Amino acid sequence: DADVTQTPRNRITKTGKRIMLECSQTKGHDRMYWYRQDPGLGLRLIYYSFDVKDINKGEISDGYSVSRQAQAKFSLSLESAIPNQTALYFCATSDLYWTGDTGELFFGEGSRLTVL
Amino acid sequence: EDQVTQSPEALRLQEGESSSLNCSYTVSGLRGLFWYRQDPGKGPEFLFTLYSAGEEKEKERLKATLTKKESFLHITAPKPEDSATYLCAVQRHGTYKYIFGTGTRLKVLA
Repeated sequence: DADVTQTPRNRITKTGKRIMLECSQTKGHDRMYWYRQDPGLGLRLIYYSFDVKDINKGEISDGYSVSRQAQAKFSLSLESAIPNQTALYFCATSDLYWTGDTGELFFGEGSRLTVL
Repeated sequence: EDQVTQSPEALRLQEGESSSLNCSYTVSGLRGLFWYRQDPGKGPEFLFTLYSAGEEKEKERLKATLTKKESFLHITAPKPEDSATYLCAVQRHGTYKYIFGTGTRLKVLA
């Protein structure tokens, strides 16, 4: 099984609908992130969380909300989806204490969202 | 403002034709520079972390190098299975953020 699991992997919805993307991890990491990837724009940070009680906005948080239900679970919601939220969404995790090992992000397989 | 620029946007190579990908960065106090490989429809997969100028890391046909302004990912005698998008990211000391470049799409032809 994957260390970082995202559901659903693909979703098509209509403008105005509420959508939730879910992420769970088995790596035991405290830090979790939601990124959005668009062609030509790279990966952009939506929200990040350092633990269950610590949630922070990233560079493009407008139109999104998140919930950290447990250390292992971090969900992204679109309260009222719009077409320009069509994108590939990634959940990622990292260690809280970066001891100079590698410090990398561990990504899920992605959730492709299409808003019509 | 922290910034990462990757070039070229796309690269086509013949199998065995070595080349380099570039990642230019601007960051105040580099904590680490990261290289990832991303296959279509998949999440990025970690390759290397570089911490300071002069550092080099190798993995199979890939070698990453770092200067104070840029990093190179050298691909020696590439094979078709090396075809992917290669992403570069930086992190500044004291921050949570990883700043990503837009990637280089590499296609290796048999």
